Amino acid sequence: DSGVTQTPKHLITATGQRVTLRCSPRSGDLSVYWYQQSLDQGLQFLIQYYNGEERAKGNILERFSAQQFPDLHSELNLSSLELGDSALYFCASSDPGANYGYTFGSGTRLTVV
Amino acid sequence: AQTVTQSQPEMSVQEAETVTLSCTYDTSESDYYLFWYKQPPSRQMILVIRQEAYKQQNATENRFSVNFQKAAKSFSLKISDSQLGDAAMYFCAYSGGGADGLTFGKGTHLIIQP
Repeated sequence: DSGVTQTPKHLITATGQRVTLRCSPRSGDLSVYWYQQSLDQGLQFLIQYYNGEERAKGNILERFSAQQFPDLHSELNLSSLELGDSALYFCASSDPGANYGYTFGSGTRLTVV
Repeated sequence: AQTVTQSQPEMSVQEAETVTLSCTYDTSESDYYLFWYKQPPSRQMILVIRQEAYKQQNATENRFSVNFQKAAKSFSLKISDSQLGDAAMYFCAYSGGGADGLTFGKGTHLIIQP
């Protein structure tokens, strides 16, 4: 157990639908990062939150959004889903200086049918 | 933008032998971090080793060590005494000094031959 908890582990949904992925960071970590891993695009950074505020944005689609709540858990919202959004979505957390690296959750496998 | 390149899509090594995985990166920053992550078939991302750019000494973690060449922007991973459990995808990753997320290479699939 890495200390980063992601739910659900698997999600199957239809095109056009909206889903929410949840992440609880490791105790003490203020930063949460979302990544997408797909066969054609590899591992891509989507977005970072630090202590409730958006800190950095990567290759995140406009159909996707995220937020970090006061208890530091984060949610990634994916809407108007397309077949190409099928991927493994990882959450990671770190201490402010990433002194201990980035700790990843076990991921959410999203399948859009 | 930073880029990370892993030129070996797949590597194969005999059990107990030593293997080196290559990684190069491009950045204009002077302060940054480099990482190797392991992703076994379970898909979990596991931190193998971490290197701070300001440290000249190469990081080591048991059988894993790196060869960090800052001027050449090279960051290779050496695995000594390879074990069957080392079989996995290995990703090289870069993070700027502001801890603003990781840029990953495309990965190297490591096969361990018994």
